[in-house]
This record gives sequence, structure tokens and C-alpha cells, in this order.
Amino acid sequence: GAVVSQHPSRVICKSGTSVKIECRSLDFQATTMFWYRQFPKKSLMLMATSNEGSKATYEQGVEKDKFLINHASLTLSTLTVTSAHPEDSSFYICSARDELAGGNNEQFFGPGTRLTVL
Amino acid sequence: GDSVTQMEGPVTLSEEAFLTINCTYTATGYPSLFWYVQYPGEGLQLLLKATKADDKGSNKGFEATYRKETTSFHLEKGSVQVSDSAVYFCALVPPPGSARQLTFGSGTQLTVLP
Repeated sequence: GAVVSQHPSRVICKSGTSVKIECRSLDFQATTMFWYRQFPKKSLMLMATSNEGSKATYEQGVEKDKFLINHASLTLSTLTVTSAHPEDSSFYICSARDELAGGNNEQFFGPGTRLTVL
Repeated sequence: GDSVTQMEGPVTLSEEAFLTINCTYTATGYPSLFWYVQYPGEGLQLLLKATKADDKGSNKGFEATYRKETTSFHLEKGSVQVSDSAVYFCALVPPPGSARQLTFGSGTQLTVLP
């Protein structure tokens, strides 16, 4: 099946620094990728939809200047948490849509990135 | 808008017990329905799916049937194992022609005791 990777799997940083998280589709092309945030024991919250070659679409309440998304190729999207603060600590999960996997446009999820801001 | 409501957990069962996790949805038309599983510290894995009414998705002993009349997609397994301990998410994707984003339920934590 289709595989999505994320890097790093875990990152600890100091408050005020920026952190970049990569999401790659390894064996398929994805014009659309999604970034989610998951709080402990909670469901996934969609942050933004990343579109290859164009600007990301952010969900209401998500600061686009805080969470920078770049989808420069059909296999890579990056999420940069700028000037991170402790409240940004969370589990970030990306998914990629396989546009060619039948008519269902199934999404495949990465393993997640645990961000801890000290 | 679209929404998914699933049974609140946590659910604790003994090994070999029967499992049901209820899931109902609100959506226009015929969405596609999914169950995802998340093991501790990991991302989501697709467990099973159904794309039209009366379809039954199945995988690893889990089953769920797409019931349009009751707008439900309950997850069942006849005999759970300790290794099934995880969080289970019900989700839907609207039919083609609309925004194709996943809408998730709140998740149900399952713990299976030996």
C-alpha cells in the first residue's frame, strides 16, 4: 500500500525557535496533503490543506503566519512552526491523498511528529 | 455540515470478548465511510472502509456495514486480542463534487486485558 513518511518523528526545541516537519509520499504522487494536530486523548484537528504549487488552505482559527506550509513538489509538503511556544507542543500528523487510487481519493497517514517546546 | 459521532470510551474488554463501537454520521448524499486505528505513539492506519450503502468493510477480523437507513457504520469484532488495544476513529469523506476532506469522530480508546 501507499506509504507516507514524516520527519522527524520527535523533536524537542526551545521556546522561540522554529521547527520544520517534513511529510513525504514515498510511492505515489500527491497533489493534496493535509496537516492535522492531535491533542492528548483527542481526535485529529485539521489545520490546513496543502496544495502542490499553490497556497495552503487553512482552517478557521489556524494562524497561517504561525504554521507555514509549503508543498513544493508532488511528494513533499513541509510544516514550519514558527517561533514555537509551549502551547504548540502537540502531535502533528500529515496525510496524503492518492489521486489515482480509484474514485475514492483515499488518504494515507504519516506516523506523526511529536513536538515538545520547552 | 458533515459530522461523525462515535461511542465514547474508554472501552475495556477481556481477551476473546465481542467488540462493538458505535458510529453514526450526518452527511448529504452518499459519503464514503472509514475506520482508522491508531496504536500508541503512531499515526493512523486505515482499518477498513465502505463506499456505498450496504457495503461491508472487513479487515483483521473487524467488520463494519454501511447502513444508509440508520446512517451508521458500527465497528465489530467477534473475539478481540490484547494487540487490538488502540484508539479507533470513525470517519467520512463526502461524495465527489464536494470538498473531499476527512471528518473524524472523537475516537474510542479500546483496552483489551489478557
